[in-house]
Amino acid sequence: ETGVTQSPTHLIKTRGQQVTLRCSSQSGHNTVSWYQQALGQGPQFIFQYYREEENGRGNFPPRFSGLQFPNYSSELNVNALELDDSALYLCASSRFLNSPLHFGNGTRLTVT
Amino acid sequence: DQQVKQNSPSLSVQEGRISILNCDYTNSMFDYFLWYKKYPAEGPTFLISISSIKDKNEDGRFTVFLNKSAKHLSLHIVPSQPGDSAVYFCAASMNFGNEKLTFGTGTRLTIIP
Repeated sequence: ETGVTQSPTHLIKTRGQQVTLRCSSQSGHNTVSWYQQALGQGPQFIFQYYREEENGRGNFPPRFSGLQFPNYSSELNVNALELDDSALYLCASSRFLNSPLHFGNGTRLTVT
Repeated sequence: DQQVKQNSPSLSVQEGRISILNCDYTNSMFDYFLWYKKYPAEGPTFLISISSIKDKNEDGRFTVFLNKSAKHLSLHIVPSQPGDSAVYFCAASMNFGNEKLTFGTGTRLTIIP
């Protein structure tokens, strides 16, 4: 059983650019969540998708958007990048809405 | 507004002894609590959870205690092993689900051989 995989592992972007991060859920999991972890902080909830529909959103502006595909893979898109968007972005999947999350190793985004 | 707090950024424990990691929360709507462990360059790994209808949950060397009146939970690891050295995050959610987990800032546990 493969785990949650994220790509790319590292990314450097310039302020104002757009970025797309990708996540492949663990087999058999139909929910996917995205978290942002700034240095020295715990992960912060961005949003969750369940069966391709958004199922909750944290305190992030609309320039953070996402998609979940029929094969339950997912994308996180961030437009108009700001320096404060520099962080580790974690994707997590779960089998059911009340099952523990399984996290990927994250994408380290640096905005210069 | 930090709704989940881990006030000890780091903790060192001798191998074989008990490790106790603490977590406090302020939101009385939280009803499901989890502990995650994170190694460098890896994503957090689920360890153990507890719902608000219980006050204790055990899984092998790991036990989580929940004190709802004090809004406090703790993770006990007995006996501590070198492989337990990692950052531990406490997380909480509402509606007994995993939507919108609120994480603490983590405690770095170091097990001294």
